[in-house]
Amino acid sequence: GAGVSQSPSNKVTEKGKDVELRCDPISGHTALYWYRQSLGQGLEFLIYFQGNSAPDKSGLPSDRFSAERTGGSVSTLTIQRTQQEDSAVYLCASSFTGGSTEAFFGQGTRLTVV
Amino acid sequence: DQQVKQNSPSLSVQEGRISILNCDYTNSMFDYFLWYKKYPAEGPTFLISISSIKDKNEDGRFTVFLNKSAKHLSLHIVPSQPGDSAVYFCAASATSYDKVIFGPGTSLSVIP
Repeated sequence: GAGVSQSPSNKVTEKGKDVELRCDPISGHTALYWYRQSLGQGLEFLIYFQGNSAPDKSGLPSDRFSAERTGGSVSTLTIQRTQQEDSAVYLCASSFTGGSTEAFFGQGTRLTVV
Repeated sequence: DQQVKQNSPSLSVQEGRISILNCDYTNSMFDYFLWYKKYPAEGPTFLISISSIKDKNEDGRFTVFLNKSAKHLSLHIVPSQPGDSAVYFCAASATSYDKVIFGPGTSLSVIP
């Protein structure tokens, strides 16, 4: 499809395990974002990739979180040694240039840490 | 420290009336402002945007007003329809290439 695709759509993991969340952005979009939405909360910024620039990691909550974007396309968000407070919906979005341009969001990955 | 604030967590409006959703920001470097709508179990979708060189932008039933000196913007929906019931997020960016920061959202209920 032509939209932003995220996988898996749901993930249940045991506390302490590592998880990888995948995002396929819209082709040609240079900007890619990761946000998370905890229950009853807003969209918390995690990390931002813009073209070949160094990613803006200022929103990552701890060093257990990391993300990469390979070849300017697919991105993977990795959470190591998951904790119960990591449970949330993780949303990926891409846009043509970032900032002022419309961002298209995926359906999200619902992560539950038990 | 929240850079984009939406102080009303929820709003209830009668069908056909005006809905006004408010947003305040603290970062004077923000130059681009966007509104997104989110239905349950879906990703947010873009609604309307405005840059700091304007004070108003209109698209059909949706109008965004920007008061840069007050660091305040608002989204007006006229007339409100039941299908407008959703969570509305205000978002801002410093440049056309910068990251976008979202507010906490306002849940709008339009009552038939």
